[in-house]
Amino acid sequence: QVQLVESGGGVVQPGGSLRLSCAASGFTFSGYDMHWVRQAPGKGLEWVAFIRYDANNEYYADSVKGRFTISRDNSKSTLYLQMNSLRAEDTAVYYCAKDRGYSGTYYYFDYWGQGTLVTVSS
Amino acid sequence: DIQMTQSPSSLSASVGDRVTITCRASQIISSYLNWYQQKPGKGPKLLIYTTSSLQSGVPSRFSGSGSGTDFTLTISSLQPEDFATYYCQQSYSTPLTFGQGTKLEIK
Repeated sequence: QVQLVESGGGVVQPGGSLRLSCAASGFTFSGYDMHWVRQAPGKGLEWVAFIRYDANNEYYADSVKGRFTISRDNSKSTLYLQMNSLRAEDTAVYYCAKDRGYSGTYYYFDYWGQGTLVTVSS
Repeated sequence: DIQMTQSPSSLSASVGDRVTITCRASQIISSYLNWYQQKPGKGPKLLIYTTSSLQSGVPSRFSGSGSGTDFTLTISSLQPEDFATYYCQQSYSTPLTFGQGTKLEIK
């Protein structure tokens, strides 16, 4: 069965950096686009970033553009989110999510991880 | 950016009730509208994709309809496990955007 397991969250000071990982299993990771979506405490869902299955294309929300970088290692079936210049408003649970399309993007999410909490605070 | 507006924001209902949640897009998104269910402490679960297609394993009491800018999620007969928060999401263009959520509570 499909599993997505995020890790790397924690407490970081404003201006700091953190790298999140998402270990995927149960499907052909290299054939699927992937996304990061976040949820601030008690709030709704916000799409953060997208990466194509072959890593040849990326998109970002304006709120993180220039500060966050999505990447993937298909040999390790792992998705990453490098977060730099963190702000208090980046505090959220970060979910990795699998795009439903195979070798083609559908831009919706058929599997989600359990999330990892990032807290930006001094 | 495409704004997604759900109504109501919260809803109280009883087991066996029929409930409808609406989602309106700020521009035409064809049928590129998806619905998710989220329970506390869990990642969301895909229920309906492209307006009306039921995701594998989702009970048939869930259905979706609409087109253009106005969409609905209907639960035909509420079950205890359906009390959760529901989100719509447009997949027409990036940035991908979600509605603010509808919290479905037990009356």
